[in-house]
Amino acid sequence: DTAVSQTPKYLVTQMGNDKSIKCEQNLGHDTMYWYKQDSKKFLKIMFSYNNKELIINETVPNRFSPKSPDKAHLNLHINSLELGDSAVYFCASSQLKTIGLAGHNEQFFGPGTRLTVL
Amino acid sequence: AQTVTQSQPEMSVQEAETVTLSCTYDTSESDYYLFWYKQPPSRQMILVIRQEAYKQQNATENRFSVNFQKAAKSFSLKISDSQLGDAAMYFCAYRSVGGATNKLIFGTGTLLAVQP
Repeated sequence: DTAVSQTPKYLVTQMGNDKSIKCEQNLGHDTMYWYKQDSKKFLKIMFSYNNKELIINETVPNRFSPKSPDKAHLNLHINSLELGDSAVYFCASSQLKTIGLAGHNEQFFGPGTRLTVL
Repeated sequence: AQTVTQSQPEMSVQEAETVTLSCTYDTSESDYYLFWYKQPPSRQMILVIRQEAYKQQNATENRFSVNFQKAAKSFSLKISDSQLGDAAMYFCAYRSVGGATNKLIFGTGTLLAVQP
């Protein structure tokens, strides 16, 4: 029972193409995230949706467009792919707010999608 | 803005020995969470340990423990009785409490090698 799944796990494509990465979580969380891990392994937040509403939109080229059809899904569409877009893209999910003092809103990560742009 | 710094790009430890990974951070907030994540070659991000800033007691999870020094803004991870399976990239991360988002701010990572 995969908690956060991403498809595809590997994506190899040519410069200029448009591609999408899909993410689904079955944890009942209300918030989902996209992180980018570059070639130096640096991880940085890109976007976050809470109940289908965009709440984080970091400085990312507008070629990247997230879409959340419902709170269990968050997709990432990339237009006009460039060489510099090659990276591992991680989806994550959590509850936005803790419930009670003992609650924890941990982020659970998907397995990542390695995107290679040739 | 908050920042997280990991000054050790690579570390090495002998199996069964103890190793400490360093992390410092900068913030003006008084309450926050700190995390250590492990990323093995499979690239899956695995939460190792969590520390709430309001707690003075250092968090411990089996062989993993932290040394949280709030005044010094330091959050190191100690791995005791190192095992071959501990070999991975380790990331320190910061998260605000009560903010509008839950975004994690990561350090640059420390690659840990475990020698048999």
